[in-house]
Amino acid sequence: EAGVTQSPTHLIKTRGQQATLRCSPISGHTSVYWYQQALGLGLQFLLWYDEGEERNRGNFPPRFSGRQFPNYSSELNVNALELEDSALYLCASRGRNPEIAITTGELFFGEGSRLTVL
Amino acid sequence: AQSVTQLGSHVSVSEGALVLLRCNYSSSVPPYLFWYVQYPNQGLQLLLKYTSAATLVKGINGFEAEFKKSETSFHLTKPSAPMSDAAEYFCAVTYGIQGAQKLVFGQGTRLTINP
Repeated sequence: EAGVTQSPTHLIKTRGQQATLRCSPISGHTSVYWYQQALGLGLQFLLWYDEGEERNRGNFPPRFSGRQFPNYSSELNVNALELEDSALYLCASRGRNPEIAITTGELFFGEGSRLTVL
Repeated sequence: AQSVTQLGSHVSVSEGALVLLRCNYSSSVPPYLFWYVQYPNQGLQLLLKYTSAATLVKGINGFEAEFKKSETSFHLTKPSAPMSDAAEYFCAVTYGIQGAQKLVFGQGTRLTINP
């Protein structure tokens, strides 16, 4: 069974440009989470999508946005890139088994997309 | 708000020595707690989880953690660490009412294994 896949693996942009990152969850998973891992800042929660809707977002400006498609894959868009947006962006998915997922919250992570803003 | 604190951003031990990584949580509801490991240039991998069953949880690669409610702690231990355990370790807690969950991560502890 394929795990969570993310693309691209690496992305280099310049200030002011836009970046689009993509995530495919594990088959059967309906929830997708995005986290930012910037150097020295740990994992910061960005966005949570479930069943095609945004359920929660972290403390990030509106230029961070995304969506979830009918097949549950997800896209993260970062507009007007700034130098401090350079980070590893991790996507994770979670199943919706009411006996497991809702109570344990275990997430399955992809290997991340490293965004470098010059 | 629920939070997780990992004591020590860097821990260094000798190869074969005991590893102890500390994690304390704050939660007003019964927590579910996790330890994840991140090897260089990789995503996060689940090591173990506590879900209100046994308080001593055994995970992969010989790691274990003990949930202590009185101390609000969930420290990660391994009796003897090989060089391959060098990585960053994250403690996480999940909270929230049904349907509003998300994982909250600690800042991470970088484990260095010295030969």
